[in-house]
Amino acid sequence: AQSVAQPEDQVNVAEGNPLTVKCTYSVSGNPYLFWYVQYPNRGLQFLLKYITGDNLVKGSYGFEAEFNKSQTSFHLKKPSALVSDSVLYFCAVRDIRFSGGYNKLIFGAGTRLAVHP
Amino acid sequence: ETGVTQSPTHLIKTRGQQVTLRCSSQSGHNTVSWYQQALGQGPQFIFQYYREEENGRGNFPPRFSGLQFPNYSSELNVNALELDDSALYLCASSTGTGGNQPQHFGDGTRLSIL
Repeated sequence: AQSVAQPEDQVNVAEGNPLTVKCTYSVSGNPYLFWYVQYPNRGLQFLLKYITGDNLVKGSYGFEAEFNKSQTSFHLKKPSALVSDSVLYFCAVRDIRFSGGYNKLIFGAGTRLAVHP
Repeated sequence: ETGVTQSPTHLIKTRGQQVTLRCSSQSGHNTVSWYQQALGQGPQFIFQYYREEENGRGNFPPRFSGLQFPNYSSELNVNALELDDSALYLCASSTGTGGNQPQHFGDGTRLSIL
């Protein structure tokens, strides 16, 4: 079955330190991978995606993610954390079992990032 | 560019009632997907509409139904509401058919069932 795992419910990091939010996936074939962020009482906001090409993808607000096919991972990273980064992060993979405009995303359970001053 | 808008923002219903949630897709987007996000969980795919037809469905019963209109806006209808239907309902729109474009989400409708 296709799935996404975010092994950490919460990640704590000091402001100015690098941060990593982990994501692993299980799909058949080549994955389309996405990171979204959710602010309180809001919908999801797109951060970045990996479709093909370079394994390191850059996104909004200084975030980047590294696709690792052998480890089936797509970890989100940022060189220097800000207190304002303290929100909820979701990793998602496109369900590729269907074609023809079928854009179902499978989401992880989310990881809350807490950046301490 | 107008983003995805959903209405209403909050709704309170009782068990057994019916509800309709509405979504206006982002300008130029022809595909609309609906997701249910229970408290503390990631969103779960309900179904997708493309060119006014449902072309994909998740593990939700038939009492969850929808529509897409010629202007690509969409409705989610839920009949015979149950307590477990309490959740944030998210609408997302996108372009193309390849799934390589990000979906753009609205802020959701929070549905509470008493």
